[in-house]
Amino acid sequence: GESVGLHLPTLSVQEGDNSIINCAYSNSASDYFIWYKQESGKGPQFIIDIRSNMDKRQGQRVTVLLNKTVKHLSLQIAATQPGDSAVYFCAERHNQGGKLIFGQGTELSVKP
Amino acid sequence: DSGVTQTPKHLITATGQRVTLRCSPRSGDLSVYWYQQSLDQGLQFLIQYYNGEERAKGNILERFSAQQFPDLHSELNLSSLELGDSALYFCASSEGTTNEKLFFGSGTQLSVL
Repeated sequence: GESVGLHLPTLSVQEGDNSIINCAYSNSASDYFIWYKQESGKGPQFIIDIRSNMDKRQGQRVTVLLNKTVKHLSLQIAATQPGDSAVYFCAERHNQGGKLIFGQGTELSVKP
Repeated sequence: DSGVTQTPKHLITATGQRVTLRCSPRSGDLSVYWYQQSLDQGLQFLIQYYNGEERAKGNILERFSAQQFPDLHSELNLSSLELGDSALYFCASSEGTTNEKLFFGSGTQLSVL
């Protein structure tokens, strides 16, 4: 399943399935993007980042895809686990040194 | 554990009061950022300091101020508190000034009654 970010929707997936969290960013001049995971009662935790000169970057069980043509960013989580349940935020940086602008987040719920 | 330490974890105070939130960045990080998180506004950037100097300002009210000390810890001062200031306040730190790979603390939950 997939969901559009920035409006705190909820994405519910079965344990073991792949998750796709989407984010539409606002500024075509943004040059850096980052995903954070925030669990209840905790601060945002860095997951993965990508620069605008790339269209894909992989980490451990996570992949970030960047489509600059349509200003779209996605986070793919492979083999989703209950511990992945959290709110996921994307953020964009408007240019080097510019501040990070956060989206509203998507809540991921993993059913065992 | 991100390495960023924030105190206190919870703060309950009354309208009109003044509070100070404290942040110790990760070892080696020179930039400190303050963010406010509320249910209706999401994560809002307040202010950034780099090596003791103010670097960037966001949506920070005039009633709020911050500083970064020579040992690189930072304090956010909130005065003349209003009910609407109730929120989670996060500190983050990074190595440089370019707003990349910010590491966040656990936050201070401020409740203004």
